[in-house]
Amino acid sequence: GAVVSQHPSWVICKSGTSVKIECRSLDFQATTMFWYRQFPKQSLMLMATSNEGSKATYEQGVEKDKFLINHASLTLSTLTVTSAHPEDSSFYICSANQGPNEKLFFGSGTQLSVL
Amino acid sequence: AQSVAQPEDQVNVAEGNPLTVKCTYSVSGNPYLFWYVQYPNRGLQFLLKYITGDNLVKGSYGFEAEFNKSQTSFHLKKPSALVSDSALYFCAATYSGTYKYIFGTGTRLKVLA
Repeated sequence: GAVVSQHPSWVICKSGTSVKIECRSLDFQATTMFWYRQFPKQSLMLMATSNEGSKATYEQGVEKDKFLINHASLTLSTLTVTSAHPEDSSFYICSANQGPNEKLFFGSGTQLSVL
Repeated sequence: AQSVAQPEDQVNVAEGNPLTVKCTYSVSGNPYLFWYVQYPNRGLQFLLKYITGDNLVKGSYGFEAEFNKSQTSFHLKKPSALVSDSALYFCAATYSGTYKYIFGTGTRLKVLA
């Protein structure tokens, strides 16, 4: 079945540095990918929708300049957390599907810890 | 506003007993409904989906869900729970004309040996 690969699985960084998270669809083309943030024992919060070849669509309250999303190809979307701060520490998950209203395939998530 | 509700934060059930995890939805038009499971520090895994047709949908790992249009519900069920079913379960919905998925807040299922 379709697989979405997300790397890294975990990352620890110093405050003020930037971190890039990659999300790849391994055996299908994903024109749309989704980025979520999940706090401990809480639900998924949609951050943005990544569209191949165009600008991402950010949800209300999500800083575009803070969370840079690039979807340069049909199989790769990246999320860069710029100038990370401890409050950015969280579990970030990406997902993609093979068409509108189809089931989502999720990456395994990235645990970000900012010291 | 479009929404998905999972009224129970946690459900406890004894191993071997039937389990139900509740979900209700409020979306425009005909909904597409999904259940996902999440194990600790992992992404979500697809369990099953309802698009149209038979109201009883069978999915992975022995799970099934019943679509009830009049009650706008899509409860997840399993006849006999296993300890390994313990995880976080999410109900989600989407509908024609949107690319977005609406997730419930999640229900933690704990199956006791």
